[in-house]
Amino acid sequence: ILNVEQSPQSLHVQEGDSTNFTCSFPSSNFYALHWYRWETAKSPEALFVMTLNGDEKKKGRISATLNTKEGYSYLYIKGSQPEDSATYLCAFLGSSNTGKLIFGQGTTLQVKP
Amino acid sequence: GAGVSQSPRYKVTKRGQDVALRCDPISGHVSLYWYRQALGQGPEFLTYFNYEAQQDKSGLPNDRFSAERPEGSISTLTIQRTEQRDSAMYRCASSLGLWGKKDYEQYFGPGTRLTVT
Repeated sequence: ILNVEQSPQSLHVQEGDSTNFTCSFPSSNFYALHWYRWETAKSPEALFVMTLNGDEKKKGRISATLNTKEGYSYLYIKGSQPEDSATYLCAFLGSSNTGKLIFGQGTTLQVKP
Repeated sequence: GAGVSQSPRYKVTKRGQDVALRCDPISGHVSLYWYRQALGQGPEFLTYFNYEAQQDKSGLPNDRFSAERPEGSISTLTIQRTEQRDSAMYRCASSLGLWGKKDYEQYFGPGTRLTVT
């Protein structure tokens, strides 16, 4: 059974704080790691798809790093804003011949003004 | 352009009835995925298609669940003899999936909220 773990489960920060959270995934048979942003009552929205060890991706104030050898990815948010409040999901895609994404449980971020 | 659409958005059915959930992917997207999402949880994979071929159905909970995509576009997820434990949000997603690549991002639909009474 493949396990994708995210920590912390939830996080409360003040506006302007920078924050980060972790996604752990199997280090063998890696193909890709996805990050999604999910606001309640909406659909998950893709942030990044990362495929190479050492990858760093950035979109505005949000960035992510990837370590496939040790099986983790970090998502960073610089200068959090209330509109960043959402659940951040990571999902692991293995190298076997399937497109099956295994999602973590998510980290729910609440940014207080 | 239009995103992934799903219908109905809400479905309430009585235990034992069959339901069919529809997904319209983004035009030109090769791959289509079905997920089930419990409240407060991440999506759980059910099955996926490349064109009309069902590539992986390992996530379907039991043989009451089936899916098809006969013309490689619209897909239907069917649940027969529904049970209360089937109540959940059912989400569809699509991706480009061209040239056998699997690392395209997935675009999610709004979901169908199924309630079995």
